[in-house]
Amino acid sequence: GAVVSQHPSWVICKSGTSVKIECRSLDFQATTMFWYRQFPKQSLMLMATSNEGSKATYEQGVEKDKFLINHASLTLSTLTVTSAHPEDSSFYICSARVASGSTLTQYFGPGTRLTVL
Amino acid sequence: AQKITQTQPGMFVQEKEAVTLDCTYDTSDPSYGLFWYKQPSSGEMIFLIYQGSYDQQNATEGRYSLNFQKARKSANLVISASQLGDSAMYFCAIQGGSNYKLTFGKGTLLTVNP
Repeated sequence: GAVVSQHPSWVICKSGTSVKIECRSLDFQATTMFWYRQFPKQSLMLMATSNEGSKATYEQGVEKDKFLINHASLTLSTLTVTSAHPEDSSFYICSARVASGSTLTQYFGPGTRLTVL
Repeated sequence: AQKITQTQPGMFVQEKEAVTLDCTYDTSDPSYGLFWYKQPSSGEMIFLIYQGSYDQQNATEGRYSLNFQKARKSANLVISASQLGDSAMYFCAIQGGSNYKLTFGKGTLLTVNP
């Protein structure tokens, strides 16, 4: 399958600072990437859809100004958590969508564990 | 709106035996796709298998097969010859609508006993 990388794999930061997470498609181009958030022992919740060259589409209840998404190239999308607070601590995971025939499959990165002190 | 229901929070299976993980779905889209992902304790989401709503045959990928019963709106995952490495969280997801987003179920934690 397609390979998606994420960096960093974990990060600890102080409250009030901003954190940038990168999501890269390594062996393919992805016009559409997705950002999810996962709390312990819970399912993945879609935060936003990242489209190359255009603004991200955010899910209801997700603060656009807090979670900045940039999809500047066909292989890179970034999520910046601005002015992070302890409640933003979570597992953030991205995916890239790949078309194979009539199938659109999402391949996921390894995730980033964010801890805000 | 789309919805996935996984009614088994946890399942246990003996090594080398088969196990079925349940998944039912609800959607108003005439065309949709069903996915299963595996999430080990490391956190990565691993794509296992896909079933399209118009596919006539059940999907199979190695030891994984999807028991698709469209009339019952179920898409159960069958893992044959379980291995210790199969111990993980398993998520069922549905894709549909104009934006092809994935909607996940709550997951089933599978434990394979030696």
